[in-house]
Amino acid sequence: AQRVTQPEKLLSVFKGAPVELKCNYSYSGSPELFWYVQYSRQRLQLLLRHISRESIKGFTADLNKGETSFHLKKPFAQEEDSAMYYCALSFTSGTYKYIFGTGTRLKVLA
Amino acid sequence: DTAVSQTPKYLVTQMGNDKSIKCEQNLGHDTMYWYKQDSKKFLKIMFSYNNKELIINETVPNRFSPKSPDKAHLNLHINSLELGDSAVYFCASSPGGGQPQHFGDGTRLSIL
Repeated sequence: AQRVTQPEKLLSVFKGAPVELKCNYSYSGSPELFWYVQYSRQRLQLLLRHISRESIKGFTADLNKGETSFHLKKPFAQEEDSAMYYCALSFTSGTYKYIFGTGTRLKVLA
Repeated sequence: DTAVSQTPKYLVTQMGNDKSIKCEQNLGHDTMYWYKQDSKKFLKIMFSYNNKELIINETVPNRFSPKSPDKAHLNLHINSLELGDSAVYFCASSPGGGQPQHFGDGTRLSIL
């Protein structure tokens, strides 16, 4: 069955330290992968998607098909990065489906 | 100019009542969704509509009934509310399958 796993519920790092939020997926076809961010009491918003290969707010994510991973990275964390981060998988199974991971709360400490 | 708007933002009501949450998007998207985010922040899809047609209907009690009068609107009606329905409900839209989703601000439903 298709699945998205975010193994860390909470990740705390100090300001200026590197950040890596892990995401592993289970899907045998060609996945569409996304990272969404939810700041405190705000709506979820798209952070980045794998096909665009962009860097948004200093974050990057590379799709590794061999390891079925799509980890989110930032070299130097900032306090304003504190938020919930969700990895999501989109795939077709008759129709398009969307699965979100359970989310990782990132806390950047001063 | 809000792209995906939900009303109300907060809903406090008693067990057993019936309530509705409205969602409208002005992005011209074909697909709309309802999600439930529980107290542990797990986000689970409930329904998806494409051009007014139901395409995803996850395992959700039949007390929950979505209605899409047109492709810009997807409302959620909940009958006989229970304590476990307390959550934040998010509406979202996307141009189509596999595309990024745009979320509303959420409706925080609290059942007394």
